[in-house]
Amino acid sequence: EPEVTQTPSHQVTQMGQEVILRCVPISNHLYFYWYRQILGQKVEFLVSFYNNEISEKSEIFDDQFSVERPDGSNFTLKIRSTKLEDSAMYFCASSERLGHEQYFGPGTRLTVT
Amino acid sequence: AQSVTQLDSHVSVSEGTPVLLRCNYSSSYSPSLFWYVQHPNKGLQLLLKYTSAATLVKGINGFEAEFKKSETSFHLTKPSAHMSDAAEYFCSNSGGYQKVTFGTGTKLQVIP
Repeated sequence: EPEVTQTPSHQVTQMGQEVILRCVPISNHLYFYWYRQILGQKVEFLVSFYNNEISEKSEIFDDQFSVERPDGSNFTLKIRSTKLEDSAMYFCASSERLGHEQYFGPGTRLTVT
Repeated sequence: AQSVTQLDSHVSVSEGTPVLLRCNYSSSYSPSLFWYVQHPNKGLQLLLKYTSAATLVKGINGFEAEFKKSETSFHLTKPSAHMSDAAEYFCSNSGGYQKVTFGTGTKLQVIP
């Protein structure tokens, strides 16, 4: 069964460093998303991406964040200058159509020290 | 705008007894409702979905949920809990929007 994959599974970085989290969505899906879950809190929407552009973003997704689909398979989330409060589990998701179920990857645990 | 409210942060049941995890929703549009399960240190797995077809939705691992518009509810049930069901469960709503709005989660404990 097709699945969303994410790499790395765990990333440790120092405050102020740039990180790139990578995702490979399900191949025939057209909508891509990033969510985050701070430890002990609920899953929060960050951004959705369709047709090579951001279609919706939350207030969390400020100028420090960017997303890109650099080729036909990868979908990346970049945090330009990490802060301690960026420490969280980051989930990538994809869906075939708008409003359809989203399939989530296993997540990348980001630890900022 | 869409939202969901999970009424219980923790639910504890004995193995072999029924499970009920409660979720209420609000939605400006016709809701698209989902239940996801998250096992410790794992990602989110889709259990089942409601997208305006049958009001009783069957999912994986014996779970089902009933959409009740009059009560704005989408409660998750299972007739008999297994130890492997111990996890955190998230009700969510996309309601025609792109983003999925998650509830705060319900941790299910299964007592042997």
